[in-house]
Amino acid sequence: QVQLVQSGSGLKRPGASVKVSCKSSGYTFNNFGLHWVRQAPGQGLEWMGWINTYTGNPTYAQGFPGRFVFSLDTSVSRAYLQISGLRPEDTAVYYCARGLYDSLTGFLFDYWGQGTLVTVSS
Amino acid sequence: DIQMTQSPSSLSASVGDRVTITCRASQSISSYLNWYQQKPGKAPKFLIYAASSLQSGVPSRFSGSRSGTDFTLTISSLQPEDFATYYCQQSYSIPYTFGQGTRLEIK
Repeated sequence: QVQLVQSGSGLKRPGASVKVSCKSSGYTFNNFGLHWVRQAPGQGLEWMGWINTYTGNPTYAQGFPGRFVFSLDTSVSRAYLQISGLRPEDTAVYYCARGLYDSLTGFLFDYWGQGTLVTVSS
Repeated sequence: DIQMTQSPSSLSASVGDRVTITCRASQSISSYLNWYQQKPGKAPKFLIYAASSLQSGVPSRFSGSRSGTDFTLTISSLQPEDFATYYCQQSYSIPYTFGQGTRLEIK
């Protein structure tokens, strides 16, 4: 069955970096896009962008500057979200989601990782 | 960016009630509208795509519809497991924006 399993939650100091991993299984990794969604405490869902798992090309939403980087290791079906220069406002749960694309529906997020809570505090 | 506005922000209802949640897009998105359910501490679950198509395994008491740029999610007879937060999301253009969510609570 399709599964996306993310790395564990953690506490980081301001200015540090974090790398969240998302391990996919149960499907052909490079046949589907991989999207990242942020959820700040008590808030709604915010689409961060996605990475084309076939070409490795990332696309970022405007609100996510160069401190946020998507990457892949296709040999182990993993996607990564790296955040550098962490700020307290980066505190959130970060989800990866499989993107199922069809020209009639656009991208659908049909399977999600369990989420990774990144807490940024001194 | 396309703005998605959900109403109401919260809703109290009883088991067995019929409830409707509305989502309005700031511009035409055709039927590129999806719905997700999220329970506290859990990842969102994909419910409906293309405004009205039910994802496999989703109970038939859930349904969706479209009228222009207005979309509705209807639960015909609320079950205890349906109390959650619901989000709409447009898949028409990047950035793929979500509504702010509708929290469905037990009355």
